[in-house]
Amino acid sequence: DGGITQSPKYLFRKEGQNVTLSCEQNLNHDAMYWYRQDPGQGLRLIYYSQIVNDFQKGDIAEGYSVSREKKESFPLTVTSAQKNPTAFYLCASSIIEASEAFFGQGTRLTVV
Amino acid sequence: SQQGEEDPQALSIQEGENATMNCSYKTSINNLQWYRQNSGRGLVHLILIRSNEREKHSGRLRVTLDTSKKSSSLLITASRAADTASYFCATVPFGSGSARQLTFGSGTQLTVLP
Repeated sequence: DGGITQSPKYLFRKEGQNVTLSCEQNLNHDAMYWYRQDPGQGLRLIYYSQIVNDFQKGDIAEGYSVSREKKESFPLTVTSAQKNPTAFYLCASSIIEASEAFFGQGTRLTVV
Repeated sequence: SQQGEEDPQALSIQEGENATMNCSYKTSINNLQWYRQNSGRGLVHLILIRSNEREKHSGRLRVTLDTSKKSSSLLITASRAADTASYFCATVPFGSGSARQLTFGSGTQLTVLP
């Protein structure tokens, strides 16, 4: 089945640690995105990539980093520079920018 | 920055009733999309309406777009308890290049009571 897979579903981070969230898609989509969702709020764009080996900052990129070495994969690293990382992280992909987006099931990150 | 804003923030109706949610946005758009999110899950795409379209239907869903008022509405007819979820509008700004990314509103929480 085609789809977009995020792992892990739950992640706990200690203060000062970097953690990496995985996002893999087998939809052959060019565009991939990372969003952050805080309780009761909408989604805010962290990073996006329109093509392999290229990515752009979104509205809240500070404290985050990404890579796009393969078309299928767009991992997000939450660095120690992100002071308030506890949130629900959603990865999405689309055939091209501005088209229908397909979302993964999300990773809930908690700082302990 | 949030482009779309949904109204109301929360809506509670009885099963069988219709539910209407509204979305307002600020700048010219290429298209507007509606998504649904069940609690703790990812978003599911419902409908995409382009700036030159005024109305689209999909099953029990009806979306309208008024570009002169910069607003859209999502109507769910004959609602069911399973429709309980958060509904988000998302806009793609008019133009080309890296600015053409989906921008989401804060959502409407719909509760359908059995």
